[in-house]
Amino acid sequence: GQQLNQSPQSMFIQEGEDVSMNCTSSSIFNTWLWYKQDPGEGPVLLIALYKAGELTSNGRLTAQFGITRKDSFLNISASIPSDVGIYFCATNFGNEKLTFGTGTRLTIIP
Amino acid sequence: DGGITQSPKYLFRKEGQNVTLSCEQNLNHDAMYWYRQDPGQGLRLIYYSQIVNDFQKGDIAEGYSVSREKKESFPLTVTSAQKNPTAFYLCASSIAGGGKRTDTQYFGPGTRLTVL
Repeated sequence: GQQLNQSPQSMFIQEGEDVSMNCTSSSIFNTWLWYKQDPGEGPVLLIALYKAGELTSNGRLTAQFGITRKDSFLNISASIPSDVGIYFCATNFGNEKLTFGTGTRLTIIP
Repeated sequence: DGGITQSPKYLFRKEGQNVTLSCEQNLNHDAMYWYRQDPGQGLRLIYYSQIVNDFQKGDIAEGYSVSREKKESFPLTVTSAQKNPTAFYLCASSIAGGGKRTDTQYFGPGTRLTVL
């Protein structure tokens, strides 16, 4: 089946550091969504991308849809304690169902 | 406030019992979805519904059942046939359930089911 490879699986950083994570696929896709999940809660949409090459920001978050349409990255600048959580990429492969990556768990070291 | 509600937040059941998880949305969304999340795992699709009185199996539908009698409600029943039901269950909805363009899904707060 279709698969999204998300990396890294986990990150341990200090407050104030920048963060970068990415998702890749062997297939071409038309949409890219980035979600964040706080512990014990449902995922919340951070950024939606709909065009190859699109670069979108949401506060300290920046995401880009790769030119090849097979990858996307999410950057977080100047991390703060509330950035802790699991970040998921998601896309669809031409049908109405979303496919989610396995997530990147972000931990901030005091 | 508009949104998706799931109740209860925590649910405990004895092995062999069926249990129904509630999901309600007042966003006027056509499509609704149920996912299962296990520790350290991503989200796996159980069932989804694009319109009232219609639903389709997702990737892991065995041992689960759903109904969609009303646009705003999409309850999930975890039956005794589900071999490993303990998990975090998430409900989501989106504006339109069909077509080629992805419609952003909005999630509820989740229900953590523990089967003893």
